[in-house]
Amino acid sequence: GDSVTQMEGPVTLSEEAFLTINCTYTATGYPSLFWYVQYPGEGLQLLLKATKADDKGSNKGFEATYRKETTSFHLEKGSVQVSDSAVYFCALTTSASARQLTFGSGTQLTVLP
Amino acid sequence: DAGVIQSPRHEVTEMGQEVTLRCKPISGHDYLFWYRQTMMRGLELLIYFNNNVPIDDSGMPEDRFSAKMPNASFSTLKIQPSEPRDSAVYFCASAAYGNSPLHFGNGTRLTVT
Repeated sequence: GDSVTQMEGPVTLSEEAFLTINCTYTATGYPSLFWYVQYPGEGLQLLLKATKADDKGSNKGFEATYRKETTSFHLEKGSVQVSDSAVYFCALTTSASARQLTFGSGTQLTVLP
Repeated sequence: DAGVIQSPRHEVTEMGQEVTLRCKPISGHDYLFWYRQTMMRGLELLIYFNNNVPIDDSGMPEDRFSAKMPNASFSTLKIQPSEPRDSAVYFCASAAYGNSPLHFGNGTRLTVT
């Protein structure tokens, strides 16, 4: 079956540091890939997505590139802010009609001033 | 747009009691999802609806759980009888069409004592 593996957290960084959160996947079909972010006390919000190999999703300074050869979709940001503190989830779906999203376990990020 | 609205935000109940969680999706969205989030198992899809019809309920843990969507603007998730292992955050999410992003509510934190 489909699965998503994220780097274990928690991750603690200083403001303006570089962020990488690793995500790898296994999928039976050709997946679409997503990063969702969850701020404290809130639901998940879509951060970015990529639907085919070599696509780069980007939003709010975050980027992730769909790497089919390494089955990866690592999240990066060049300079994190305190307001980026949240839990980040990598996810995939292989069937647009079924709408089945498979989530990773989430990575807690804390950014210190 | 008010987003996906869930109620209550917090629910504390005793084992054996019936619990009903409520969700109002974004107007015009054809898909509605119920997820459960726990530290141990992460995010799990319980059930989802398309145009008020349940499409996949394979994630519903057991017969104590039931979900309904009587119309396009309302859904309920019921647990009867509740057990301490049902303690979790329950999220409702909606999506406009087959390949559009999910919009999550802020969740209901359920505690069963």
